[in-house]
Amino acid sequence: DGGITQSPKYLFRKEGQNVTLSCEQNLNHDAMYWYRQDPGQGLRLIYYSQIVNDFQKGDIAEGYSVSREKKESFPLTVTSAQKNPTAFYLCASRIPGTSGYNEQFFGPGTRLTVL
Amino acid sequence: GQQVMQIPQYQHVQEGEDFTTYCNSSTTLSNIQWYKQRPGGHPVFLIQLVKSGEVKKQKRLTFQFGEAKKNSSLHITATQTTDVGTYFCAGQAGTALIFGKGTTLSVSS
Repeated sequence: DGGITQSPKYLFRKEGQNVTLSCEQNLNHDAMYWYRQDPGQGLRLIYYSQIVNDFQKGDIAEGYSVSREKKESFPLTVTSAQKNPTAFYLCASRIPGTSGYNEQFFGPGTRLTVL
Repeated sequence: GQQVMQIPQYQHVQEGEDFTTYCNSSTTLSNIQWYKQRPGGHPVFLIQLVKSGEVKKQKRLTFQFGEAKKNSSLHITATQTTDVGTYFCAGQAGTALIFGKGTTLSVSS
């Protein structure tokens, strides 16, 4: 089955600890995205990557870091600098560009709770 | 920066009533996409509109893209309990896909 996997589904961490969320896709998509979802806030873009070894900050990148060493993988690290990390994190991928069908495919998400 | 505004934020209807959510962009879009997120789930792509004035239907769902390619709407006829969830529009301007905040629909039977 082709798709995007995120693990784990639920994650608990103590305040002050860094935590890395996994995102893997086998859709052969070049572009990958990380969103944060809070109630009433919709989807807010954290980081995105259009190609391997390259990534850009989104609207709310502070306190987060990413890497894109492989096409299939785009892990997100929530650092201790992120002031309010408890949220639902969604990873997505798509074929970049403006023409044709280029919808985003979302993973199942990771719900992070910082205690 | 570029923004996509979506209204209303919440809508509750009785089963069988119609429902509409609206999106407005501050800039002209090359296309607009609609997604549905069921409670506890992740967004799933519904449709993409590309042409000015385009109208597309999927069973009870009707999607429209404005003539100026700055606004869009999703209309559901005769809602069912299976329609509950949050509906997002996402406008593409350049390479960026900008999501609206979504409209959460609840349906009572």
